[in-house]
Amino acid sequence: AQSVTQLGSHVSVSEGALVLLRCNYSSSVPPYLFWYVQYPNQGLQLLLKYTSAATLVKGINGFEAEFKKSETSFHLTKPSAHMSDAAEYFCAVSGTSYDKVIFGPGTSLSVIP
Amino acid sequence: DVKVTQSSRYLVKRTGEKVFLECVQDMDHENMFWYRQDPGLGLRLIYFSYDVKMKEKGDIPEGYSVSREKKERFSLILESASTNQTSMYLCASSPRTSDTQYFGPGTRLTVL
Repeated sequence: AQSVTQLGSHVSVSEGALVLLRCNYSSSVPPYLFWYVQYPNQGLQLLLKYTSAATLVKGINGFEAEFKKSETSFHLTKPSAHMSDAAEYFCAVSGTSYDKVIFGPGTSLSVIP
Repeated sequence: DVKVTQSSRYLVKRTGEKVFLECVQDMDHENMFWYRQDPGLGLRLIYFSYDVKMKEKGDIPEGYSVSREKKERFSLILESASTNQTSMYLCASSPRTSDTQYFGPGTRLTVL
């Protein structure tokens, strides 16, 4: 069975500062891991995904995430926050490409000018 | 561009009413999903479908049913709406062999 925890339901950063959103997972098999973003009044869209290739995954809009098996983590980072990054971010896990995807509770990111 | 559309952005219904939420995707995806999204709980899977006329229960199917008569359309039905079904409902689709889901904009349902 898979599960996801996201530390911090709300994170605030200043414009230009580092963004770090934390995700830890639990999986009985090698996981597939995802980050989705939800902008206000919109559905979710895929930011990036890890599927057992390179451990450092680059996504859209300058975001990247690193898979660390020893820490069971898949934290999302961006070197410099932009006002347009304000959104809800969801980490998700599945056991295979055919499995159900399990979503975390989400982290709301605010960017302060 | 993949497009997933949902019939309503906002819906207000009364307790006991039968409610239909419609979802249509235009990319010939085999898989379709219904989630509800609640603050602090993330997305929870209600039902999913891998093919026409096929359906599988997700994690919280109680009080809901679904219908998939055509490949592009997946309907969520609340047989008798209750106040605890007030939520944001998200539809998603994906190709058969892909793990990437494409989401609609959501329907915010309020049951009074």
